[in-house]
Formats: sequence, C-alpha cells, structure tokens
Amino acid sequence: DAGVIQSPRHEVTEMGQEVTLRCKPISGHNSLFWYRQTMMRGLELLIYFNNNVPIDDSGMPEDRFSAKMPNASFSTLKIQPSEPRDSAVYFCASSTQGASFEQFFGPGTRLTVL
Amino acid sequence: GENVEQHPSTLSVQEGDSAVIKCTYSDSASNYFPWYKQELGKRPQLIIDIRSNVGEKKDQRIAVTLNKTAKHFSLHITETQPEDSAVYFCAVYKGSQGNLIFGKGTKLSVKP
Repeated sequence: DAGVIQSPRHEVTEMGQEVTLRCKPISGHNSLFWYRQTMMRGLELLIYFNNNVPIDDSGMPEDRFSAKMPNASFSTLKIQPSEPRDSAVYFCASSTQGASFEQFFGPGTRLTVL
Repeated sequence: GENVEQHPSTLSVQEGDSAVIKCTYSDSASNYFPWYKQELGKRPQLIIDIRSNVGEKKDQRIAVTLNKTAKHFSLHITETQPEDSAVYFCAVYKGSQGNLIFGKGTKLSVKP
C-alpha cells in the first residue's frame, strides 16, 4: 500500500487566490482527518469524516475553509480566498475506526500564501 | 471538551540518558493514548500506544505508563540516541468522539 497520498506537496500562492489540497486515504480506511500544523498553534484538527460523512468541523477556522469527501478514496480541503495567515503544513490522515485507533498521516502539503 | 497538556515543551539530554515526557488530560472517559514522533520535515508517526485497561507498555527502549486516577500518561525513552531527536506528541482518544486530541508537542534534542 502506498499509504496516505497528498497533493500537491508544496503550494505557493498569492493572497486572495483559491487553494485546493487533495488527499487519498489508505484503501479500506473509513475515517479521514484534516490537520493544520504551525509553530504557534501546533497540530490542529480541522475536520474529520467517517464513511465519507463530516462528523466534526468545529476546527475549521472560518467560512473560507471547506472540505469534501465525495467518495471513500478522495477528499479535498479548499481555502477561498487564501490569506497569509493560512500558511502552514496541512496533513491528511486516515484510520479504521472501530478496528484500530492508529491514524496514518500523509506527507503533508506545505502551503505558503504571499 | 477534552484538554491535553504536554510538558516539557523542549527537552535536551545527553546521549545515553533517559528522557521523560508527560501529558495530562481532563476527560476520564478517554480510553486510548498514543504517542507520535515527528522528525524534522516529516509526518507524525505512531511509536507506541496504550489503552485504558493497561498501566504500562514497553517496546525496546520506549515505554508508556498510564495513571487513570490522576489522568496522566508518560513517555519514557531510555538510552537515548541522536536519532531520537524529534518532536513528540501525545494524544488522547475518546471513543464517542472518534478523533484524537493532540498535545502541543515536545522537542527532544539528544546531544552526542
């Protein structure tokens, strides 16, 4: 298995532009998590899905952020419009709820908003 | 909601010494306590975990202890090596919520 796949690995954009981050979870995993990591705030959970359904989006910072999971093998995190304070590393993770609690992280997307 | 506090935020030890990182949590219903290691520029990876029905678990040089009454758990690394240098995160899981709450992390530096 290739593990959790994220794209792009690096994204540099200008303030006001739309940014879309993509994630492919490990096949067979039924839970997917989006995290944001910064030096100041650490590792923050933004939103998570169980069986493609959003369960808790209380960590989404504001309406500029949205996430979707149209099927079991794909999820997106969109920021529109982006701002410099959104600069961070965004991780996607997946797990099998009920069978194991371990979350497997993707390599992350380093986002820089100028 | 659950609150997880992790101490210390930075820890520097000499190679061969032991390192201990401690986390406290607030919700007594929490039932799973993993530790993740994140090397510079890489993703967090699980290194050891413990469930609420166990008091201690060991895996070679690392061990985790859990005190449910006091609501704290600790990571112990013995005979530290330079490759142990990384940021370590504790986390807490409560079955009803379905997600992990992470501590702020501890940057461990092992000096040769």
